[in-house]
Amino acid sequence: AQSVTQPDIHITVSEGASLELRCNYSYGATPYLFWYVQSPGQGLQLLLKYFSGDTLVQGIKGFEAEFKRSQSSFNLRKPSVHWSDAAEYFCAVGSGNTPLVFGKGTRLSVIA
Amino acid sequence: DAGITQSPRYKITETGRQVTLMCHQTWSHSYMFWYRQDLGHGLRLIYYSAAADITDKGEVPDGYVVSRSKTENFPLTLESATRSQTSVYFCASSAGSNQPQHFGDGTRLSIL
Repeated sequence: AQSVTQPDIHITVSEGASLELRCNYSYGATPYLFWYVQSPGQGLQLLLKYFSGDTLVQGIKGFEAEFKRSQSSFNLRKPSVHWSDAAEYFCAVGSGNTPLVFGKGTRLSVIA
Repeated sequence: DAGITQSPRYKITETGRQVTLMCHQTWSHSYMFWYRQDLGHGLRLIYYSAAADITDKGEVPDGYVVSRSKTENFPLTLESATRSQTSVYFCASSAGSNQPQHFGDGTRLSIL
């Protein structure tokens, strides 16, 4: 069965600094990969998705993620973080006909 | 407006009572999902449905009942609520099992 690991429970970055959130998955074939963001009191919003093709995927709000098959990773990046990016971020993996599996999330705090 | 709507947004009830959380989507998505979100556990899948009249258990189905008589609705019922079911519940829908899921804003349920 596939699984998703987000090693960092909480990350704090300064506004304007770069960001990388880690996501590792376990699955034999090429998975479908997603990143979601959740602001307080709201549901999850899709940031970006990878199905196939170019391994560098662009998403909304200036985020991007890179699929690295050799490392079983799909890390999320942003070159310059804004205070409004403070939220919870979830990585998810899908395969076959089973529902997506979500990681436990990484909480991002942004300081001035 | 197209989207996914959960009701109520907040609910307080007592142990032993039956409570139903509603979920309605306007995209005609075939798949619908119910999750609960608890601190330290991330999102856990309760039940999902691939189409009307087809439902399957997720990771934590005990104590919950679902039905799906119409494509657009997917109610979740707690037949006899327990304190351990205090949580935030999210409904989601997608066009396919591996397609991006679209989330509602959640129902915060407190069981006293």
